Amino acid sequence: GAVVSQHPSWVICKSGTSVKIECRSLDFQATTMFWYRQFPKQSLMLMATSNEGSKATYEQGVEKDKFLINHASLTLSTLTVTSAHPEDSSFYICSASVRDEQFFGPGTRLTVL
Amino acid sequence: AQSVTQLDSHVSVSEGTPVLLRCNYSSSYSPSLFWYVQHPNKGLQLLLKYTSAATLVKGINGFEAEFKKSETSFHLTKPSAHMSDAAEYFCVVSPYSSASKIIFGSGTRLSIRP
Repeated sequence: GAVVSQHPSWVICKSGTSVKIECRSLDFQATTMFWYRQFPKQSLMLMATSNEGSKATYEQGVEKDKFLINHASLTLSTLTVTSAHPEDSSFYICSASVRDEQFFGPGTRLTVL
Repeated sequence: AQSVTQLDSHVSVSEGTPVLLRCNYSSSYSPSLFWYVQHPNKGLQLLLKYTSAATLVKGINGFEAEFKKSETSFHLTKPSAHMSDAAEYFCVVSPYSSASKIIFGSGTRLSIRP
């Protein structure tokens, strides 16, 4: 089956710094990837849709200047949390689509001190 | 508009007894419906999916779900719960049979009593 990886699996950073999270499709090409955010004991909330070679489409209420998304190749999308603050601490999950199914990465736990 | 409602935030069953996790959906189109499982601090794993073929869908680990259009439901069942089934379960609706934006239910936490 299709495999999606994320790196890093967890990261701790100081407030005000920027953090980059990578999402890779390992054995398939993905023109579209999705970024989600999950708070403890809550469901996944779609943040943005990442399209290879074009600008990402952000969901209402998501700051595009704070959550920078780059989809430079068919196998890699990155999410950069700029000037991170403690309220950005969360579990970030990406997914990539193949036909009618989405395959999810294992997630990245971000803790901002 | 599409939406999905998971009727129980928490379900607790004894090991060896049946599991029922309820999901209702709303969709203007013929939806694709999915159930995913998430173990603590892990990503999501697909249990099963419905894409307008057979209404009774069998998935992994003994789970199955039945699509009932008249009731707009897609409940997840398993005849006999195992301790390893303890996890968070998400019902998901996709408005088309393609990988467009999908909608997650709020999740149901399944606990298994010894």
